[in-house]
Amino acid sequence: EAGVVQSPRYKIIEKKQPVAFWCNPISGHNTLYWYLQNLGQGPELLIRYENEEAVDDSQLPKDRFSAERLKGVDSTLKIQPAELGDSAVYLCASSLGLAGAYNEQFFGPGTRLTVL
Amino acid sequence: GQQVMQIPQYQHVQEGEDFTTYCNSSTTLSNIQWYKQRPGGHPVFLIQLVKSGEVKKQKRLTFQFGEAKKNSSLHITATQTTDVGTYFCAGDRSGTASKLTFGTGTRLQVTL
Repeated sequence: EAGVVQSPRYKIIEKKQPVAFWCNPISGHNTLYWYLQNLGQGPELLIRYENEEAVDDSQLPKDRFSAERLKGVDSTLKIQPAELGDSAVYLCASSLGLAGAYNEQFFGPGTRLTVL
Repeated sequence: GQQVMQIPQYQHVQEGEDFTTYCNSSTTLSNIQWYKQRPGGHPVFLIQLVKSGEVKKQKRLTFQFGEAKKNSSLHITATQTTDVGTYFCAGDRSGTASKLTFGTGTRLQVTL
């Protein structure tokens, strides 16, 4: 079974440019997460989707970040415009999202963003 | 907001020595998960603890959830070089592990 797929794996852009990351979760996983991970720190949740609905976006900087999961499967995270401080690894994760159950999260390989 | 701290930040051991990382939450948790991230890799789920005082073992790894459900520990017996990586605890208050607050992580280095 394929794991969580993310692309690109690496991205280098200049500040003020837009950038987009793509994630395809494990088939059948209803819940999709986007995390930001700075060097030497734990992942921090940006947004969580249950199917196509964003149920938790409280940590998403909405002035420059946006995300979508139109058909409840793959998802895109966008930054426009990017700032130097956005340099980090952006991780996508998915889980079954079973109601009343504890759900293990499966992480993708991440996209390493460098903003110059 | 909820904070999850881990100590130590870094530990360097010789192969065969034991290792323990401690995780402390500022709030009571529904459950706690542990993940391992190899250098250059992504977090990989290790285990989930739900009950107060719960202890689970996976080969050389022993996981414990505190009685008050605010702290946890991971102990590795007789470390091997394959244990190298960063170990994160992740606390959940949602009851479904859908909103995890990851700890600060403990980076383990093992040398021969």
